[in-house]
Amino acid sequence: ILNVEQSPQSLHVQEGDSTNFTCSFPSSNFYALHWYRWETAKSPEALFVMTLNGDEKKKGRISATLNTKEGYSYLYIKGSQPEDSATYLCAFAGGTSYGKLTFGQGTILTVHP
Amino acid sequence: DAGVTQSPTHLIKTRGQQVTLRCSPKSGHDTVSWYQQALGQGPQFIFQYYEEEERQRGNFPDRFSGHQFPNYSSELNVNALLLGDSALYLCASSLGSQTRTDTQYFGPGTRLTVL
Repeated sequence: ILNVEQSPQSLHVQEGDSTNFTCSFPSSNFYALHWYRWETAKSPEALFVMTLNGDEKKKGRISATLNTKEGYSYLYIKGSQPEDSATYLCAFAGGTSYGKLTFGQGTILTVHP
Repeated sequence: DAGVTQSPTHLIKTRGQQVTLRCSPKSGHDTVSWYQQALGQGPQFIFQYYEEEERQRGNFPDRFSGHQFPNYSSELNVNALLLGDSALYLCASSLGSQTRTDTQYFGPGTRLTVL
């Protein structure tokens, strides 16, 4: 059974705070790690697809790093804004899957004005 | 460009009934995946369709079946509904064979409630 774990489960921060959360995944048979942002009543929005160990990706105030050898990825949000409030999901794609994504349970971020 | 669309938005059924959910992929995409999201969990992979064939399947019983049409749209069918099938059903589309590394674009989901 493939385990993808995200921590923390939920997070409350003040506007302007920087924050980060973790996604842990199997270090063997790695192919890709996907990050999504999911706002209430909307479709999950793709943030990053990461494939190489040491990869760093950035989109505005959001960035992510990848360590495939130890099986973790960090997502960082710099200067959080209320509109960053959402559930952040990571998903693992293994070498034996065509396109099956195995998701973590998500981190619920609430940014208070 | 319309993104991934799903219908209906909400659905209420009773135990033992059958349900069909529909998905239209993003323009130009030929691969459709279905996921089930139960409360408090991440989405769980049901199956993926490519070139009108089921290419990969997750750990779901045979009550869950699907179909992909020549225009790449897809249906998810669930027979003999159980209370535990109540969930948000998400459809995701992508292009071609490299769906492990290509972005999968999600629809807004269909909320199924089984009474």
